[in-house]
Amino acid sequence: GNSVTQMEGPVTLSEEAFLTINCTYTATGYPSLFWYVQYPGEGLQLLLKATKADDKGSNKGFEATYRKETTSFHLEKGSVQVSDSAVYFCALKAGTALIFGKGTTLSVSS
Amino acid sequence: NAGVTQTPKFRILKIGQSMTLQCTQDMNHNYMYWYRQDPGMGLKLIYYSVGAGITDKGEVPNGYNVSRSTTEDFPLRLELAAPSQTSVYFCASSYSKGVNTGELFFGEGSRLTVL
Repeated sequence: GNSVTQMEGPVTLSEEAFLTINCTYTATGYPSLFWYVQYPGEGLQLLLKATKADDKGSNKGFEATYRKETTSFHLEKGSVQVSDSAVYFCALKAGTALIFGKGTTLSVSS
Repeated sequence: NAGVTQTPKFRILKIGQSMTLQCTQDMNHNYMYWYRQDPGMGLKLIYYSVGAGITDKGEVPNGYNVSRSTTEDFPLRLELAAPSQTSVYFCASSYSKGVNTGELFFGEGSRLTVL
């Protein structure tokens, strides 16, 4: 079946450090892939997406590349800020709904 | 802009009680969803709807019911509350056509505790 596996957190970084959050998926066909972010006390919001192999999604300094060969969609940011502290979810679109990973908590300190 | 609105934000129930979580959206989205979020478990799909009058089960539908009489509203009903239903519930909606169908718009969540 379809599933998403994310690296477990929490991830703790200092401001301006490089961030990578790993995400791999299992799916039939070629699903669209997404990263969502959840700030404390809020609902999830779309961070970026990629709809086909080799696409790169980007937003707010975050990037992720759809790698069909490795079935991966790792999230990266070159220099994190305290305001990036949140929970990050990788997701794939299977049919009508999205299937989410378990989420990775990022904590950035100044 | 209101987006997706959920009520109540917090609720405590006793075992066996029933309640309805309300969800309404003002974006004219055909697709609507209910997810539950448990610590360390991500989001699990409970029910979804592709339009008024049409609903379908997700991954974890047991103990819940939904209805979709209008495009705007998608209430979630708990008939006999159990401690296992303690969770944060999120309603979401999305476009039904085009490349944006994967972008879900979420409400702020409803935290339910069953004691």
